[in-house]
Amino acid sequence: DSGVTQTPKHLITATGQRVTLRCSPRSGDLSVYWYQQSLDQGLQFLIQYYNGEERAKGNILERFSAQQFPDLHSELNLSSLELGDSALYFCASSVARANYGYTFGSGTRLTVV
Amino acid sequence: DQQVKQNSPSLSVQEGRISILNCDYTNSMFDYFLWYKKYPAEGPTFLISISSIKDKNEDGRFTVFLNKSAKHLSLHIVPSQPGDSAVYFCAASVRRGSGNTGKLIFGQGTTLQVKP
Repeated sequence: DSGVTQTPKHLITATGQRVTLRCSPRSGDLSVYWYQQSLDQGLQFLIQYYNGEERAKGNILERFSAQQFPDLHSELNLSSLELGDSALYFCASSVARANYGYTFGSGTRLTVV
Repeated sequence: DQQVKQNSPSLSVQEGRISILNCDYTNSMFDYFLWYKKYPAEGPTFLISISSIKDKNEDGRFTVFLNKSAKHLSLHIVPSQPGDSAVYFCAASVRRGSGNTGKLIFGQGTTLQVKP
């Protein structure tokens, strides 16, 4: 157990639907990062939050949004889902800067059918 | 624009031999480089890192080498063990003061298979 909890582990939904992925960071970590790993692709950075505020945005689609709540857990909302959104979505957390590596959750596998 | 590249999708090595995983980068603003290991159905786990002011960092069987002039780093695993079979990701972090937020840029990963 890495200390970063992601739920659900698996999600199957239809095109056009909306889903919410949840992440609880490791205790004491203020930063939360979301990454997407599509088939045969590396980890693509989506978005980062630090202590409730958005800090950086990557290649995140307008159909996707995220937020970090006062208790530091984060949610990634994916709407108007398309087949191409099927991927592994990872959340990671760190105390601050990630020089020494941040901690990943085990991911949510999203399948859009 | 792929700033961190791992050009070898896979590598197969015999147990006991050396495994060398390579990574190239294009952004000279990167100041920290990291390697992560990922097993199926798990999230990536941090393995080893190196600062851009160093050219080598060693931790047990794992050594990372950085060649800044070539914008190239490599991970050496000696001796390789079957339990090392996993996907290895190279990652880089942007220098502080350049809008650094701590996010990491990852390569595509290399699947290492260590044969008994």
